[in-house]
Amino acid sequence: GAVVSQHPSWVICKSGTSVKIECRSLDFQATTMFWYRQFPKQSLMLMATSNEGSKATYEQGVEKDKFLINHASLTLSTLTVTSAHPEDSSFYICSAREGLRREGRDTQYFGPGTRLTVL
Amino acid sequence: LAKTTQPISMDSYEGQEVNITCSHNNIATNDYITWYQQFPSQGPRFIIQGYKTKVTNEVASLFIPADRKSSTLSLPRVSLSDTAVYYCLVGPDTGRRALTFGSGTRLQVQP
Repeated sequence: GAVVSQHPSWVICKSGTSVKIECRSLDFQATTMFWYRQFPKQSLMLMATSNEGSKATYEQGVEKDKFLINHASLTLSTLTVTSAHPEDSSFYICSAREGLRREGRDTQYFGPGTRLTVL
Repeated sequence: LAKTTQPISMDSYEGQEVNITCSHNNIATNDYITWYQQFPSQGPRFIIQGYKTKVTNEVASLFIPADRKSSTLSLPRVSLSDTAVYYCLVGPDTGRRALTFGSGTRLQVQP
């Protein structure tokens, strides 16, 4: 089946530093990738939509200069949290869309998530 | 995307059948109903998707009445490992759009 990986699985950083999170589709080409954020005991919230070779589309309230998204290839998207602060501590999850129909449906496959803790 | 309403939490015991109902009164004609499962500190995992009537796979069954304003996810003979949050999503059958997650149902299975 389609597999999406994320790296790192967890990261701890100091306030003010930047952190890069990678999202890779391992066995398929992802035309679109999505980035979500999830705070404890809450649901997933969409941050941005990333299409290969074009600028990401950010959801209302998400600062594009703070959360830099790059989708340079069909198998890799990166999210960089710039000048991280403690309130950015969260669980970041990516998903990837293959664009093909498997088992009769066009779906998204989620990565395992990255736990970011900003001290 | 159609708004969904689910119970916040449910408790069950091992071996029991669990039914989680989701309300989606304003579902559109081209909307599908999809359920995801999420364990703590993991990404969501697809469980099942349906449009109408009943769908069954190796993990669960999905019951959808004729008016499609609700749906029920049925988990047969749950085990401790089924403890997770279950999300009901309603939208067009395309991965092109981002998925909108509601609050989900937190299922706790006890021995």
